[in-house]
Amino acid sequence: GENVEQHPSTLSVQEGDSAVIKCTYSDSASNYFPWYKQELGKGPQLIIDIRSNVGEKKDQRIAVTLNKTAKHFSLHITETQPEDSAVYFCAASYTGGFKTIFGAGTRLFVKA
Amino acid sequence: SQTIHQWPATLVQPVGSPLSLECTVEGTSNPNLYWYRQAAGRGLQLLFYSVGIGQISSEVPQNLSASRPQDRQFILSSKKLLLSDSGFYLCAWSLGTTGGQETQYFGPGTRLLVL
Repeated sequence: GENVEQHPSTLSVQEGDSAVIKCTYSDSASNYFPWYKQELGKGPQLIIDIRSNVGEKKDQRIAVTLNKTAKHFSLHITETQPEDSAVYFCAASYTGGFKTIFGAGTRLFVKA
Repeated sequence: SQTIHQWPATLVQPVGSPLSLECTVEGTSNPNLYWYRQAAGRGLQLLFYSVGIGQISSEVPQNLSASRPQDRQFILSSKKLLLSDSGFYLCAWSLGTTGGQETQYFGPGTRLLVL
C-alpha cells in the first residue's frame, strides 16, 4: 500500500530563517498532496496543497514543490515566525481512493 | 460554510468502561467521514472511514467500532476500554464526490485518558 515518509521529525530554526520539510511517497498513482499544520491540543488544519499537474505552488510565506518523477514533495516556509511553531504533516491521496496517507509529522520550533 | 463538531473535548474513563464519541458535520451533504487516533507526539492512525450511511470500513482491528446513523453523524464506540485506547481522537470529513483528491477537514478532537 501507499507509504509516506517525512523528514526531519524535528526541526529547530531561528526566527526569520527558512524551514524545509521533505516527504516521499511510494504509490505513483498519488495525485493530491496536502500539508497540514497542527497546533498543540488542536486538530490539523490544511495550510496548502498541490495537485500532480503542478510543480510548485506558493501562498505568501509558504510554498510547496512536487517532483513526480522522484516522488518527492516539500514544504518551504520563509521568514519563519514563532507562531509557525507546530507539527506539520504531509499527506498523499489519489483519485478513486478514499484514504489519505499521512507522514509521521515534523515538529517545528521557531526560536525568537 | 462547513463546520465539524466533536464532543466531548476531554474524557477520563476507567479501564473496562464503555465509550461513545460523537462527531457531526454541518453545511454539507453525503460527506466522507473519518476517525483517526493520535498517540502523544505521534502521527495520525486511521481507524475507520465511511462513504455513506451505514457504510463503515475498518482499518485497524481492535476493540473499537464506528457507526454512522445519519448522513452527517459519525460515532466511535467501545464496549470495554483498554489502557492503550488513550489518545487524541480526531474526526474528519471530505467531500464525497470525487473519491479522492479531496481535502480532509479535521474537527477539534477529543482527548481520551483511560486510567
